[in-house]
Amino acid sequence: AQSVTQLGSHVSVSEGALVLLRCNYSSSVPPYLFWYVQYPNQGLQLLLKYTSAATLVKGINGFEAEFKKSETSFHLTKPSAHMSDAAEYFCAVRQSLEGAQKLVFGQGTRLTINP
Amino acid sequence: DTAVSQTPKYLVTQMGNDKSIKCEQNLGHDTMYWYKQDSKKFLKIMFSYNNKELIINETVPNRFSPKSPDKAHLNLHINSLELGDSAVYFCASSQSAGGWNEQFFGPGTRLTVL
Repeated sequence: AQSVTQLGSHVSVSEGALVLLRCNYSSSVPPYLFWYVQYPNQGLQLLLKYTSAATLVKGINGFEAEFKKSETSFHLTKPSAHMSDAAEYFCAVRQSLEGAQKLVFGQGTRLTINP
Repeated sequence: DTAVSQTPKYLVTQMGNDKSIKCEQNLGHDTMYWYKQDSKKFLKIMFSYNNKELIINETVPNRFSPKSPDKAHLNLHINSLELGDSAVYFCASSQSAGGWNEQFFGPGTRLTVL
């Protein structure tokens, strides 16, 4: 079974600083990996996805993530944090069950941006 | 022109009551899902329907009964509500059940059981 672990339930950075949110995966098959963002009192929005093509994936709002098989990681980065990036971020892996797919989520990381 | 909508947005009720949450998607997708987000923000799938057929049923108490009257709707009925059912419930949809397809999420329904 596939799973993901997000390191750090809460990350705080200053506005303009680098954002790094960590995600490690466990999978016996090549994984499909995703980052979702949840703004306060809203649903989840897809930031980016890795589907076995390019290992460096660019997403919306200036975010990108790099798939590293040797480290079983899929960390999310953004060079310069903006106040509007404050949200909860979820890493997820696709798990297939007899033709059906489901997302298995990590525990989430709350990103706080300090002015 | 909301893609995935849920009603109600907030639901406050007493223990033991029966309640329903409705979900509709106007994306023309074949597959719909219910996820539960607990107080610690942990998200876990509950059910998935493909073309009105149940394809994923996680370990969920049978007090929870999903119903899909058509491909665009997936409702969640909960009997004999318990305190532990308090959570945010998210509906989602994707184009199909297999392969890789982005799941689009609704805004959530915050259920509070008193």
